Amino acid sequence: AQSVTQLDSQVPVFEEAPVELRCNYSSSVSVYLFWYVQYPNQGLQLLLKYLSGSTLVKGINGFEAEFNKSQTSFHLRKPSVHISDTAEYFCAVTPGPSFGGSARQLTFGSGTQLTVLP
Amino acid sequence: DAGITQSPRYKITETGRQVTLMCHQTWSHSYMFWYRQDLGHGLRLIYYSAAADITDKGEVPDGYVVSRSKTENFPLTLESATRSQTSVYFCASSRRDTGYEQYFGPGTRLTVT
Repeated sequence: AQSVTQLDSQVPVFEEAPVELRCNYSSSVSVYLFWYVQYPNQGLQLLLKYLSGSTLVKGINGFEAEFNKSQTSFHLRKPSVHISDTAEYFCAVTPGPSFGGSARQLTFGSGTQLTVLP
Repeated sequence: DAGITQSPRYKITETGRQVTLMCHQTWSHSYMFWYRQDLGHGLRLIYYSAAADITDKGEVPDGYVVSRSKTENFPLTLESATRSQTSVYFCASSRRDTGYEQYFGPGTRLTVT
């Protein structure tokens, strides 16, 4: 089984400042990792994913995340945020290449509300 | 390209009533999922389906029933709604070969009074 911990429930930051949203996971097998974004009254949209290869993953809207296997972390970063980045961000995990089952179930963290202040 | 839709978007019902939430996808994705979203819990999986007529329980299935007679539809039924089922419900789908990459509907906000 996997679990995900998002260390900050709320992150306020001023416009054009950098931001880091933290995510740690726990798993006994190799994993795939994801960040989703949820804008108010909308469903979740995939920001980026780590499957294999380079540990630095780039996503949409200027976001990137770094997979750190030794620290079991997958933190999300953006060098300069905009008002439009205000949303809730979810980290998620699913079993990786060793998975032999059928439908992959995503396990989500509890979410981080990013609020960008003018 | 309609993608994945949910109806209704908002629903208020009374304790004990039966409620069905609809989910429809136009991509012919094999996998479909139902999640509920509650403050402090993120999203939790209720049920999922690998194909038509194949369904399985997720993390929080009690009080819910699903069916999947057609690939594109995956309704979720609350047979006797309780206040603890007040939540936002999301449907998602994914392809068989990339089952981990899930596409989400806009959600249904359900209030049980």
